[in-house]
Amino acid sequence: AQTVTQSQPEMSVQEAETVTLSCTYDTSESDYYLFWYKQPPSRQMILVIRQEAYKQQNATENRFSVNFQKAAKSFSLKISDSQLGDAAMYFCAYRDSGGGADGLTFGKGTHLIIQP
Amino acid sequence: DAGITQSPRHKVTETGTPVTLRCHQTENHRYMYWYRQDPGHGLRLIHYSYGVKDTDKGEVSDGYSVSRSKTEDFLLTLESATSSQTSVYFCAISEWLAGGRNIQYFGAGTRLSVL
Repeated sequence: AQTVTQSQPEMSVQEAETVTLSCTYDTSESDYYLFWYKQPPSRQMILVIRQEAYKQQNATENRFSVNFQKAAKSFSLKISDSQLGDAAMYFCAYRDSGGGADGLTFGKGTHLIIQP
Repeated sequence: DAGITQSPRHKVTETGTPVTLRCHQTENHRYMYWYRQDPGHGLRLIHYSYGVKDTDKGEVSDGYSVSRSKTEDFLLTLESATSSQTSVYFCAISEWLAGGRNIQYFGAGTRLSVL
């Protein structure tokens, strides 16, 4: 079974600075998807960014980018120019690439605090 | 929000009572999921559905059953609620996009307290 590990229960960063959240995963598959979800206090799960394992290029979405290291099974999220609205729980998630109904496997989350 | 509505949004119930949570989607998605979220555990998959009347178990399915009689509705039932089932429950759909890309979208969640 796949596992996802987020080793940082909590991170703190000054507003406008850059922060990196760590995620490692374990799988025997060669093709899969990886995701970062944001959960603000409203509890809504919001997709931040996704990465296909077969793509070598790291995904970016505005101020959010990932560092995908397939051999190391590492998938970190970098948030540049941190804003107060970025404060939330962040979850790393994994999914097999099969065309079926596979669910997501989540890490336990990192609580991100933005210091004004 | 991919047209996902969960009801109720909050529920308090007593141990031993049956509880049904509803997930309704308006965009004809084939795949639907129920997750639970507990402190220190992230989200864990309870059950999922790959079509009408087609369901299967996830990681933490004990004590739960599901039904899907219509494409748009996926029901999660706790036959006899226990305090260990106090949690936040999320419904999700899986959408396949151009190029074989897959994304899961989540409902707003249901907070269930079993006293």
